[in-house]
This record gives sequence, C-alpha cells and structure tokens, in this order.
Amino acid sequence: AQSVTQLGSHVSVSEGALVLLRCNYSSSVPPYLFWYVQYPNQGLQLLLKYTTGATLVKGINGFEAEFKKSETSFHLTKPSAHMSDAAEYFCAVSEGGFKTIFGAGTRLFVKA
Amino acid sequence: GAVVSQHPSWVICKSGTSVKIECRSLDFQATTMFWYRQFPKQSLMLMATSNEGSKATYEQGVEKDKFLINHASLTLSTLTVTSAHPEDSSFYICSAETGPGTDTQYFGPGTRLTVL
Repeated sequence: AQSVTQLGSHVSVSEGALVLLRCNYSSSVPPYLFWYVQYPNQGLQLLLKYTTGATLVKGINGFEAEFKKSETSFHLTKPSAHMSDAAEYFCAVSEGGFKTIFGAGTRLFVKA
Repeated sequence: GAVVSQHPSWVICKSGTSVKIECRSLDFQATTMFWYRQFPKQSLMLMATSNEGSKATYEQGVEKDKFLINHASLTLSTLTVTSAHPEDSSFYICSAETGPGTDTQYFGPGTRLTVL
C-alpha cells in the first residue's frame, strides 16, 4: 500500500528566499506523484506531477520537484518565495493512476 | 483547462435534515469522480469513488447509507448527507478525472457544511 509523509506541518520563509517542502513516499509499484496547493476555503490546484520520464518536473508558478527513487522523495522547491505563495501544500501518490493518497499537508508562511 | 464546480459553496442545516451537494465538470466529461472530506487543518480523506452509471465505491469506514452518491451523467455527481448531525460538519471536496485511466484529478472549490 502506498503512503505519503510530509516533513514539517509548517514552513516559514522570507520573501525572496528558497522554498523547500519535503515529501517522502512509499509505493509497491512505480508511483505517480503530485503536488497540490490549497488556498483558504478553496479546492486543490495541481502544481505539478510526475508519472514517467524526466525526474525533474516543472510546474506552475515557478515550482519544481525532483523524483528521487533511491531516496523515495519528491521534494517541492521554488528559488524565490513570493507572498502569494502562502498556502497549504499537499503531496500525493497514486499507483498507476488509481486511488490517490494525500499527505498531511504543509502550511507555507511567507514573511515580508 | 478542466474546470470542476460545486454547489453550494457553503450550507448550514439543522440536525436531522438532509443536504445535497452537486459536483459538475464544466468543460469535459468525467467518467470518474471522487468525493473527499477535509477536517480543519487536516488532509483530504477519500470517501468514495463514483463512476458514471454505476454504484459508488466507498472507502472503509464510510457509511454508504449516510453519504449517498449518485453519478447519473458524465458531468454531474451528487453527494447527499442524510440525517445530518453536527459531527458531519466538514469541508467536502469533489474531483474528477478527465478521462478513463488518466492520472490527474481536477478539484472543485469545496462545500463547507455546518450542521447545527
């Protein structure tokens, strides 16, 4: 069975600083991996996804993530944080596009 | 892009009443829709998977008689919370896949249910 662990329920960065949100997964088969963002009282918006191919995936709003099989990780990064990046971020895994399991979420705070 | 809407965005009801939440795919046909529940400051919990024209598949621990799901068309799925109680108060989110076996879900904006 697959599972997702997001390290750190809260991350705080200064505006312009590097954003790093950590995600580790477990899966019995090659996983599909996703990062979603959720703004208050809204649904989830897909940031990026990895299915096959290139392990460095670029998404919207300047975010990217790298699939590292040896480390079972899919960490999300952005070189320079913006105030508008403040939100809740969810990592998710599915096996072959079937049932998706979400991590507990990481709330990103951006300080001026 | 693929757009999913939900209605209503929020609802307040009395204990014992039933509430229906609609989930619509606006610009694509969704053979599969998903219903999630999210408690404050927590992650999404999958409640059920809904396939057009067939019965929904409920996750373990979810009462199918309490949370009625209907997926009557390729663009509409409904979740009815029957005999609602305060503990059913939550944020309910639906999502839809753009096609069979695709790997990406598009999420609705969510419905906040408060049961008094």
